[in-house]
Amino acid sequence: AQKVTQAQTEISVVEKEDVTLDCVYETRDTTYYLFWYKQPPSGELVFLIRRNSFDEQNEISGRYSWNFQKSTSSFNFTITASQVVDSAVYFCALSEAPGTYKYIFGTGTRLKVLA
Amino acid sequence: EAQVTQNPRYLITVTGKKLTVTCSQNMNHEYMSWYRQDPGLGLRQIYYSMNVEVTDKGDVPEGYKVSRKEKRNFPLILESPSPNQTSLYFCASSRGSSNQPQHFGDGTRLSIL
Repeated sequence: AQKVTQAQTEISVVEKEDVTLDCVYETRDTTYYLFWYKQPPSGELVFLIRRNSFDEQNEISGRYSWNFQKSTSSFNFTITASQVVDSAVYFCALSEAPGTYKYIFGTGTRLKVLA
Repeated sequence: EAQVTQNPRYLITVTGKKLTVTCSQNMNHEYMSWYRQDPGLGLRQIYYSMNVEVTDKGDVPEGYKVSRKEKRNFPLILESPSPNQTSLYFCASSRGSSNQPQHFGDGTRLSIL
């Protein structure tokens, strides 16, 4: 069965520290898609990145980077030099190959960046 | 402006009183979905729709109904709400299927007494 595990419920860091949010997934499919979303204190959900199962290249976008490793079924998210504005709940999600249409979210990691 | 609009944003109601949460998107998206967010449980999918007149159950469909008569609208219906349906609800839409990034509405906070 498909499953997404975000074992870190809450993380607190001091501004400018680097922080990594873990995401481990389970799926039987060979084709699948992984996502990260951000939910700031205002409550909206914002898409950050999508990765498909055939693309194991790491991605960097400014202070954000993502490490996808199929061997460990992980899709971790690192924020470099964290800022107070990074404080949010971050969700990892899994969607399997077209045809199932289901979308599975992890339970989220609340990140608090302290000034 | 591309958006997903949910109404109402907040609702307090009583057990058994039928209610509908509307969801509308202006991006001509095929895929729409409803989620509920509860503390410690993340977002859980209630129902989704691949296109007009095509819907299917997510992981927590009990107590909910949906319909997709028009491409832009995907209302969530609680025929007989109960306190365990007190939650924060999100509607989302995307192009094509579930492998696309989803655009979310601002959420509807329901309290059922």
